[in-house]
Amino acid sequence: QSALTQPASVSGSPGQSITISCTGTSSDVGGYNYVSWYQQHPGKAPKLMIYDVSNRPSGVSNRFSGSKSGNTASLTISGLQAEDEADYYCSSYTSSSTPYVFGTGTKVTVL
Amino acid sequence: QLQLQESGPGLVKPSETLSLTCTVSGGSISSSSYYWGWIRQPPGKGLEWIGSIYYSGSTYYNPSLKSRVTISVDTSKNQFSLKLSSVTAADTAVYYCARHAYGVVNAFDIWGQGTMVTVSS
Repeated sequence: QSALTQPASVSGSPGQSITISCTGTSSDVGGYNYVSWYQQHPGKAPKLMIYDVSNRPSGVSNRFSGSKSGNTASLTISGLQAEDEADYYCSSYTSSSTPYVFGTGTKVTVL
Repeated sequence: QLQLQESGPGLVKPSETLSLTCTVSGGSISSSSYYWGWIRQPPGKGLEWIGSIYYSGSTYYNPSLKSRVTISVDTSKNQFSLKLSSVTAADTAVYYCARHAYGVVNAFDIWGQGTMVTVSS
């Protein structure tokens, strides 16, 4: 099972909106509504930001939103802030021999 | 507030067995709707799911590591453990334990801080 495909980097200015894509197949992203997104600051553990495609855990800012179309899931950060600068990873349940797979990761830079 | 904490040696020799323990505090490892998982991250690279265990002992593993991995649980100590045998330099990574929710929430929703394990002689 290959990793889900994410852009290596995405950047934006404070206040802008950015979108990170996560592309898989019909065996993972496209086949299940079990896509989650994680934020990871340098030297820190990942933090769950979105689960089940579009749900936010308690305490996560509503500036973070998730969606899915076909085999591609997306994470949108609106009103970009300096603190949003981090690595972001998607993950999905899969019907392959590896039940869970992560994305390749995207570095978000706030200009 | 549920917390997870990894513990174990930070240095392991090639061909030996890596052993880590995750201690769960602030809640019971025997809760339904949760598996307990291990994820690793080589330096400068992405996340890789290693495997997960239910409190009953039911496990499932990443096929790419399955022949070398054993995950076990000790409900009396509220702990679960990872053993990875025949390690090489490619197993050098930060190892995280995480609560693996399923059902209402399907995600790794709580993570430990991670522990760096280096494989070197």
